[in-house]
Amino acid sequence: KQEVTQIPAALSVPEGENLVLNCSFTDSAIYNLQWFRQDPGKGLTSLLLIQSSQREQTSGRLNASLDKSSGRSTLYIAASQPGDSATYLCAAPDSSYKLIFGSGTRLLVRP
Amino acid sequence: NAGVTQTPKFQVLKTGQSMTLQCAQDMNHEYMSWYRQDPGMGLRLIHYSVGAGITDQGEVPNGYNVSRSTTEDFPLRLLSAAPSQTSVYFCASSYNPHTEAFFGQGTRLTVV
Repeated sequence: KQEVTQIPAALSVPEGENLVLNCSFTDSAIYNLQWFRQDPGKGLTSLLLIQSSQREQTSGRLNASLDKSSGRSTLYIAASQPGDSATYLCAAPDSSYKLIFGSGTRLLVRP
Repeated sequence: NAGVTQTPKFQVLKTGQSMTLQCAQDMNHEYMSWYRQDPGMGLRLIHYSVGAGITDQGEVPNGYNVSRSTTEDFPLRLLSAAPSQTSVYFCASSYNPHTEAFFGQGTRLTVV
């Protein structure tokens, strides 16, 4: 059974800092892993999708990596800004292709 | 391009009432799903569909019904609302389970 864990649950950093969010999954036979952003009271916005054949995926200041052998993915945010404050969720499919979500990391970037 | 549209955005129901949460997508996606999000529980899958006429249960299906008569629409029905169904409901769609998933803005439901 696929289980997805995100640590830490919350993170507070000063503006300008580079930071890494962690995501762990138990079933390494995944097709892909997706990172989302959720602002308070809003839906989920897709940030990056990494296919199992890829090691990294980049979009602007965001870089996501995937290491299937260790069951880990990281989301790297460069030069963080207050507008990056949100909850970040990762999701991996289980053996029936249903998305399993982590509980998220709540990020606060202080001006 | 509207993406995934959910209606209503907010709803208050009395215990025992029934209602339908609407979800529509205009991206010709085959795969659609419903999640509920509760504090401390994360996102949990209620029902999903891999195409018109095909639905299946997720992790927490009790008290909910779905049908998929068209590719575009995937409504979620609450048969007899209970306070335990107070939650935020999200609809999602993707071309297939291996591609990027897109979410609606959510329906905040309160059952009193």
